[in-house]
Amino acid sequence: QVQLQESGPGLVKPSQNLSLACTVSGGSISSGTYYWNWIRQPAGKGLEWIGRISSSGSTDYNPSLKSRVTISLDTSKNQFSLNLNSVTAAETALYYCARGGYTAGWFDPWGQGTLVTVSS
Amino acid sequence: SYELTQPPSVSVSPGQTASITCSGNKLGNKYVCWYRQKPGQSPVLVIYQDNKRPSGIPERFSGSNSGNTATLTIGGTQTMDEADYYCQAWDSNTVVFGGGTKLTVL
Repeated sequence: QVQLQESGPGLVKPSQNLSLACTVSGGSISSGTYYWNWIRQPAGKGLEWIGRISSSGSTDYNPSLKSRVTISLDTSKNQFSLNLNSVTAAETALYYCARGGYTAGWFDPWGQGTLVTVSS
Repeated sequence: SYELTQPPSVSVSPGQTASITCSGNKLGNKYVCWYRQKPGQSPVLVIYQDNKRPSGIPERFSGSNSGNTATLTIGGTQTMDEADYYCQAWDSNTVVFGGGTKLTVL
C-alpha cells in the first residue's frame, strides 16, 4: 500500500526557510487521481492544513500562509516538497505529508511526521 | 473564515456509545471527514464523505451530517478507541479542521 515519509532539517533559524520533502512509496505521485498535502501540528495543539499539489502541478494554499509557501513535485524521485520562508518560533511543529482524495477531500494515509524546531 | 467547533472532551464507559459533534455554519452542505489520533501517532482517517468507512475501520464507527452539525458515533466503545478525534471539511478551496475532541473511555 502507499506509504509517505517526510525528511528534512529538524532545526531552522528564525526568518530562514523551512524545506521538507515527502517520499511516496507503493504508488506513483503522478497517477493523476490524488492530491499531495502538507499539514502541521504544534505540540499539544490541533491540525493546520498548509497546502496541496496535484499530479499536474496545480497548487492550493492556506490563505494565511499563501504568501510564504511553495509546494512542488519531483516526479523523478516520486517526491513532493514544502518550502516555507521567513519562519518564526510559532511555526515549530510536527509537519505531516498526506495523500488527499480528489472528491470529498479526505487525507489518507499520512506520513509519520517530522518535527521542525524554529530556534536560534 | 470558516470555523468548525468540537467539544474539548467526551467521556464514555466501555461498551457504551460515544458521540462527538462538529459544528459549523451550513456544515450539512459540505462533506465531513473524521480522523483518530492516538498519542505519538499520525492521524488516521476513520470516516470520509460524512458517513463512509475506509477499509480496516471497524463497523462500530459511523458518521452523519445534517444542518449545522456532523456527528461521529462509536458504538460499543473500547479502551483502544481512546484518542483525539478531529473533524475536517473544505470551505472556499481551503481545509478547515475542528479543534479536536479528547475521547476518554473509563
